[in-house]
Order: sequence, then C-alpha cells, then structure tokens
Amino acid sequence: EAGVAQSPRYKIIEKRQSVAFWCNPISGHATLYWYQQILGQGPKLLIQFQNNGVVDDSQLPKDRFSAERLKGVDSTLKIQPAKLEDSAVYLCASSLTPGVNTEAFFGQGTRLTVV
Amino acid sequence: DAKTTQPNSMESNEEEPVHLPCNHSTISGTDYIHWYRQLPSQGPEYVIHGLTSNVNNRMASLAIAEDRKSSTLILHRATLRDAAVYYCILRDTGNQGGKLIFGQGTELSVKP
Repeated sequence: EAGVAQSPRYKIIEKRQSVAFWCNPISGHATLYWYQQILGQGPKLLIQFQNNGVVDDSQLPKDRFSAERLKGVDSTLKIQPAKLEDSAVYLCASSLTPGVNTEAFFGQGTRLTVV
Repeated sequence: DAKTTQPNSMESNEEEPVHLPCNHSTISGTDYIHWYRQLPSQGPEYVIHGLTSNVNNRMASLAIAEDRKSSTLILHRATLRDAAVYYCILRDTGNQGGKLIFGQGTELSVKP
C-alpha cells in the first residue's frame, strides 16, 4: 500500500515570501493532520481534517497559515508571508478514521528553511 | 489534553531488552495510551497502543500499570535500527478526532 506522499521534500525561501506544501494521504483515509516540527522538539499539531471539514485548527497561526483539503483527499498547507521562526519540518499524516483505536501514518515531511 | 512525562534520553546495548517508561498520572478512564517513534530524518511511525490490558505486537510490548498512571514500552531485543525518539501519547475517546498530541519524547540510543 502506498504511504502518505508529501512534496516538496525541501524548500528554501526568503522571509516574507509565500510557500505551499502538498500532501496526498493514503487512499480511503478520512482523517488528515498537518504538524510542524521545529528542530529538537516533538511535532506540534497545526490542523486536523475529517474528510474536507476542519476538526481542530486551534494551533494554526491563522494570520499567516492556511490549509485546505480538496474534495476530502489531497491537502495543501500555505504560509504567507513566511517568518524566520517558520523554519521547521512540516509533516502530514492520515488515518482511516479519527478513532483512538486507529494508527496514523506519517509522510517524510517537507523541510522548510526561511532565510 | 492529559499530559505524559518521559525521560529525555536513554541508552541501551544492542540485543538487550529496553524498558521505556511513561508517567501519566492525570489519565482519564477514556484515554488510550499510544506509542510512536521517530527515526532520524523520518516521520513518526506507530508502535503500539492499549487501554487497560498489556499488549503485544511484532514491534514491541506495552505494559500498563494497574492504576493506569504509568506504562512501559518494552523492546525485547534492541537493534541499532531501534535508535529513535519514542513518544508516549494519550488519546481521548471523548475528544472528537482523538487528537494525536506529541510531547518531547525519549531519545533512545543503542550501542553495538
């Protein structure tokens, strides 16, 4: 079974520029998560989708970050404008259902460097 | 979200068992205990989860204290490929979506 696909793997941008990350979850997975992982820290949940609806976006900095899930499948996460502190790995994960008895599958992430 | 406490780091020798502890004294009756690990330069991967009873799978065993205030992830024979950060996470059945909230985790190093 194909895993969670993310692109690009690496991105370097200047501060104040915009950037977008793309995620293709495992086929049939209704729940999709975006995480931000700063070096040396655990992943921080930014947003959680159930199909194409948002379940939780309480940790998403909405003044600069936005996310959407097209037709309940692929998802994009955008940052506009980027700040130096946004340098991190952005991880996408999916699970079959949101239930606590299911496991989440993670992609390899996109490493963003803001200079 | 209920909080977990784990040691920052642990060391193990190859081919020896490893016991990774996790304290969760504020756990509620509806919280499941999940373990994930993250190998270097990879996304996290699921290891095991349980509610009250001890659990075994091909990767590890999970021992849950009778009062559920602590748990231990057991790797029966550590290999060099088990060197990773291990996260103990509580997921609440009462919370829509059962959010997966990561803490700092335990960094496990395995010596040959």
